[in-house]
Amino acid sequence: KAGVTQTPRYLIKTRGQQVTLSCSPISGHRSVSWYQQTPGQGLQFLFEYFSETQRNKGNFPGRFSGRQFSNSRSEMNVSTLELGDSALYLCASSLGNQGDTEAFFGQGTRLTVV
Amino acid sequence: GDSVTQMEGPVTLSEEACLTINCTYTATGYPSLFWYVQYPGEGLQLLLKATKADDKGSNKGFEATYRKETTSFHLEKGSVQVSDSAVYFCALNDYKLSFGAGTTVTVRA
Repeated sequence: KAGVTQTPRYLIKTRGQQVTLSCSPISGHRSVSWYQQTPGQGLQFLFEYFSETQRNKGNFPGRFSGRQFSNSRSEMNVSTLELGDSALYLCASSLGNQGDTEAFFGQGTRLTVV
Repeated sequence: GDSVTQMEGPVTLSEEACLTINCTYTATGYPSLFWYVQYPGEGLQLLLKATKADDKGSNKGFEATYRKETTSFHLEKGSVQVSDSAVYFCALNDYKLSFGAGTTVTVRA
């Protein structure tokens, strides 16, 4: 059974640009969540998508957005990049049903903003 | 909101030593509790979990017990190996995973 796949693994972008990250969840999983990991703030929840709808959202500015497709694959977009957006972005997939508690993480996308 | 506090690191141990990483949580309900591990350059891997009070999660020699009375979920291993060197995160699940700050563990041969 294939795991969670995130692409690309590494990205370097310039301030002011935008970026799109991709996440393919485990087959059969309908929930995809995104997290930002930085040395200063640790792991912070960005948002969760379930059946193509954003179900939960963390405390990030509107520059951070996402979407989910009918095959459950998800993309995350960050517009007008700032230096502080440099981070490891992690995607987690789960069945997403009530009572389901186990999330599986991808290897992450390392974004560097210069 | 719900939150997790875990022991600050880094922790450095010799092989075969005992490891304990303390974790306490604050939650309005009864969330599931987890320990995740992150190896260098990797994402997070679920190490163990417990879904209700008094449950014990265990995996690869690691154990943690869900203690409602002390709101704790401490991670323990009786004899660590060099391959256990990693960052360990305690987490709880309500509608999202809330993580502790992480504890870096280094095991020396």
